Amino acid sequence: SAVISQKPSRDICQRGTSLTIQCQVDSQVTMMFWYRQQPGQSLTLIATANQGSEATYESGFVIDKFPISRPNLTFSTLTVSNMSPEDSSIYLCSVAGGEGTEAFFGQGTRLTVV
Amino acid sequence: GQNIDQPTEMTATEGAIVQINCTYQTSGFNGLFWYQQHAGEAPTFLSYNVLDGLEEKGRFSSFLSRSKGYSYLLLKELQMKDSASYLCAVKDSNYQLIWGAGTKLIIKP
Repeated sequence: SAVISQKPSRDICQRGTSLTIQCQVDSQVTMMFWYRQQPGQSLTLIATANQGSEATYESGFVIDKFPISRPNLTFSTLTVSNMSPEDSSIYLCSVAGGEGTEAFFGQGTRLTVV
Repeated sequence: GQNIDQPTEMTATEGAIVQINCTYQTSGFNGLFWYQQHAGEAPTFLSYNVLDGLEEKGRFSSFLSRSKGYSYLLLKELQMKDSASYLCAVKDSNYQLIWGAGTKLIIKP
């Protein structure tokens, strides 16, 4: 199993500003995943972050809006840039074990943009 | 496209049994997962099925039929703390998790 520490747990931000979310894993992992979960909705994958290479973004998400860093095998950040109220959501980082194992999640960041 | 369907909301009584269904259409299959998510919290792992049949874990059981693209999560002896959303997720051929929208389970005394 993996333990993921994610912070901040929540924040209220002004529109037009940026917020960086951090995730620290207690073990080395190849891939880390960033999700968004809007109220009442399922998890939507934003991007997959691999150490040493650029993140792979899903359709509808771009690097300029959601830049990701992955400096080593235990840490990643997601920045939500130039925020608008539509970015209000829960953001989750996740890691997966090998084949057949489940995904582990950070505690989530509840973001409110006003 | 890839699709996972589960009911939006279900209501059950404390002490009873409830079955939450999940049907999926994905490009490949490498396992199906059920997660529990309390409001405002991250999802937590409940069960994993990769072969057909029933997996039992305490009060919770999960069933899979790969030929039918179907799974269910069975919760017995319901407790008030079981009020949560239950998410069905499938790993596709690329080992990427595809998530259902979740079923909100309301437990009434």
